[in-house]
Amino acid sequence: GAGVSQSPSNKVTEKGKDVELRCDPISGHTALYWYRQRLGQGLEFLIYFQGNSAPDKSGLPSDRFSAERTGESVSTLTIQRTQQEDSAVYLCASSLALTPYEQYFGPGTRLTVT
Amino acid sequence: AQSVAQPEDQVNVAEGNPLTVKCTYSVSGNPYLFWYVQYPNRGLQFLLKYITGDNLVKGSYGFEAEFNKSQTSFHLKKPSALVSDSALYFCAVRGSNSGNTPLVFGKGTRLSVIA
Repeated sequence: GAGVSQSPSNKVTEKGKDVELRCDPISGHTALYWYRQRLGQGLEFLIYFQGNSAPDKSGLPSDRFSAERTGESVSTLTIQRTQQEDSAVYLCASSLALTPYEQYFGPGTRLTVT
Repeated sequence: AQSVAQPEDQVNVAEGNPLTVKCTYSVSGNPYLFWYVQYPNRGLQFLLKYITGDNLVKGSYGFEAEFNKSQTSFHLKKPSALVSDSALYFCAVRGSNSGNTPLVFGKGTRLSVIA
């Protein structure tokens, strides 16, 4: 079946602009996660959604970052007033529920802030 | 608090030789352990997981991992490395007593298999 999809695959934006990144999880997956991966680095947890529960926003690095999820489907990650340090690959993952179910990752959105 | 450590940033191995990528963890309760692989310019792919049962877990592409409770380790292994195994490998963990927290990922180990 279809995996996790993300759009756009690449985004180049000017410093100070807002960007929206989209994630389409696997159908039926109740949990959805956003991570950030800087070049050559590991995964930095940003936020996750589980069903209708309030999202865990504990990983968001600043109030410029926000995310929404429509029911148990699409999620958007919004970065306002982008800064050069926001340049990274943003990865979305979904899972049937919380662990012990494995997370399935999308291909990521490469964000470059100039 | 839960954490995972991958002590090696880089592992080099000759093609055909066995490989080991190390992972140790700290969790509250029983551990749920995962390995993921990331090929260049790709997202992460699930390799295998340990939830309960046999300590030796077999996964995709001929990989296996051994859960060692006393050493709090979950090392990834393969008997005979291929050049195509060259990639970035991530270990991840969550504890059974961790409430509604997601997986915690290690920093990754870059595996380079040399022909």
